[in-house]
Amino acid sequence: NAGVTQTPKFRVLKTGQSMTLLCAQDMNHEYMYWYRQDPGMGLRLIHYSVGEGTTAKGEVPDGYNVSRLKKQNFLLGLESAAPSQTSVYFCASRVRGGSLTGELFFGEGSRLTVL
Amino acid sequence: QKEVEQDPGPLSVPEGAIVSLNCTYSNSAFQYFMWYRQYSRKGPELLMYTYSSGNKEDGRFTAQVDKSSKYISLFIRDSQPSDSATYLCASHTGTASKLTFGTGTRLQVTL
Repeated sequence: NAGVTQTPKFRVLKTGQSMTLLCAQDMNHEYMYWYRQDPGMGLRLIHYSVGEGTTAKGEVPDGYNVSRLKKQNFLLGLESAAPSQTSVYFCASRVRGGSLTGELFFGEGSRLTVL
Repeated sequence: QKEVEQDPGPLSVPEGAIVSLNCTYSNSAFQYFMWYRQYSRKGPELLMYTYSSGNKEDGRFTAQVDKSSKYISLFIRDSQPSDSATYLCASHTGTASKLTFGTGTRLQVTL
């Protein structure tokens, strides 16, 4: 019963390096999201996707890119990491339509430190 | 100004106390209101949700929404150490694909 799985769970980068965070969900959800969580700032939406092959910008998209080539996967890329991107990143998914509760299923987070 | 405002705490209470957690929001289009619970180093999990104004009870937890004052509350009765977590309120319009979260309130229930 995996739900939403994020890899890697921890990563340390140097300024200017690139990396990709992978999110995989096995619930056949249409919608997927990438958030970052910082002290005092709460969860802020970076990018999201409402279906395979589609992506959209959230509240804080600058410095990040995403791709949704397969329905079950949502990738978050940092092309040139900056210390301001030190954060905990959460992936989430939800079913489209149907339930109006807005229930998001979250992964356990990926802790990224940029030196 | 954030669309959903929440006091970050931390809030420390003794075991058995009644806890009141609150949020305010500014978007009149919000129709659905949720509370997520997040344990340390874990992802948030949905705790309760309500539609429009009113109360909803689930065991020791009661969610309350007052749309006239744009106020969202979560009450925890007979609080337990296992309730120690960060509680995030969230809202959406029902048609939007995105939820708007508050910053979260960290709760510590002490023995």
